[in-house]
Amino acid sequence: QVQLQESGPGLVKPSGTLSLTCAVSGGSISSSNWWSWVRQPPGKGLEWIGEIYHSGSTNYNPSLKSRVTISVDKSKNQFSLKLSSVTAADTAVYYCARVQGCSGGSCYSRAYWYFDLWGRGTLVTVSS
Amino acid sequence: SYELTQPLSVSVALGQTARITCGGNNIGSKNVHWYQQKPGQAPVLVIYRDSNRPSGIPERFSGSNSGNTATLTISRAQAGDEADYYCQVWDSSLYVFGTGTKVTVL
Repeated sequence: QVQLQESGPGLVKPSGTLSLTCAVSGGSISSSNWWSWVRQPPGKGLEWIGEIYHSGSTNYNPSLKSRVTISVDKSKNQFSLKLSSVTAADTAVYYCARVQGCSGGSCYSRAYWYFDLWGRGTLVTVSS
Repeated sequence: SYELTQPLSVSVALGQTARITCGGNNIGSKNVHWYQQKPGQAPVLVIYRDSNRPSGIPERFSGSNSGNTATLTISRAQAGDEADYYCQVWDSSLYVFGTGTKVTVL
């Protein structure tokens, strides 16, 4: 079955750029799904960062849009996150997730979409 | 921005029924999804589109959505149901998560 695995540095300096990659195994990133990043600060709730389609189309959370870039590498079956100008407030567990918009042979508008598969997450600490 | 409000915590006796609410303005007009997150683990989808269970999720988990409140119901609660639960909707071009509820099984 499809699995997601995040990777990247666990420590980033303030004002630097956080870079993570999500490897998709057991399936193709060029499927009909979108692919997302979600983060969770220690002891806090979930926050959606953004998403990408295999064509390269992206959508970002407006609160992070100025600092976020999500890209896809179809040859490696993976997608990546870059978050610039990080501060301690960006310290969090970062998850990659598959967005599901279809079920039972039918596909739905975005208002129906949800995250049906998650990676295990990776903790990124912003500290000097 | 759209806000989803959940109770901070819910306690339930072993074998009894737990109800976790998710409040939002006219949330009944939206599709609500629910995730379970155990300590140190990634979230797991337990209910999608208000009341649908993914394969592998016990029938004890059910959902409803009407008016300004969506509800996740856990029947015959087990010790393994202890976790944080989050609701989620799509609104104004972004995915919004609820504040999260910690469920304790006594």
